Amino acid sequence: AQRVTQPEKLLSVFKGAPVELKCNYSYSGSPELFWYVQYSRQRLQLLLRHISRESIKGFTADLNKGETSFHLKKPFAQEEDSAMYYCALSRGGSEKLVFGKGTKLTVNP
Amino acid sequence: GAGVSQTPSNKVTEKGKYVELRCDPISGHTALYWYRQSLGQGPEFLIYFQGTGAADDSGLPNDRFFAVRPEGSVSTLKIQRTERGDSAVYLCASSFGASNTGELFFGEGSRLTVL
Repeated sequence: AQRVTQPEKLLSVFKGAPVELKCNYSYSGSPELFWYVQYSRQRLQLLLRHISRESIKGFTADLNKGETSFHLKKPFAQEEDSAMYYCALSRGGSEKLVFGKGTKLTVNP
Repeated sequence: GAGVSQTPSNKVTEKGKYVELRCDPISGHTALYWYRQSLGQGPEFLIYFQGTGAADDSGLPNDRFFAVRPEGSVSTLKIQRTERGDSAVYLCASSFGASNTGELFFGEGSRLTVL
């Protein structure tokens, strides 16, 4: 069965500091990985997907199949990055997304 | 264009009652998903529709839960004989197609409280 683990429930950094939100997954096949974000009082929304290899709002994430990880990184955190972040996985060809429990990021001024 | 719309936004009911939650997806989106999010947890998959048919209902916890999408647009999640453990935020999402390549657009959720 697929599983997504986000080991940090809470993460607090200062503005301008680097930030890394950890995500590990378990799946024997070739997964598709995503990061979703929920800002305060807003809907859950897609931040980025590994297949696109894109940088969104300064965030990047690299799929490491050897370590089964998909950590989210940003070199200089901003206060507006404070939000709940969810890592999610889908099996190739499956429509179902499996989410982690989420990490609440707080960026302090 | 409005996003995914869910009603009601809040529902308080008593144990044993029947509840319906409605989802109006983004126009033109053929795929519709229901997720459940309990406190401190990530969204948990319940069911996925492609058009009118349920393509994957493996996440429905038991036969008290049922969902329909009769015309391939609006969907209703139905919960019979509600239990306190059903209390959660029920999220609906829609997309153009496959979630593993496309983007899911979520609604604001329906918060269900079973007393």
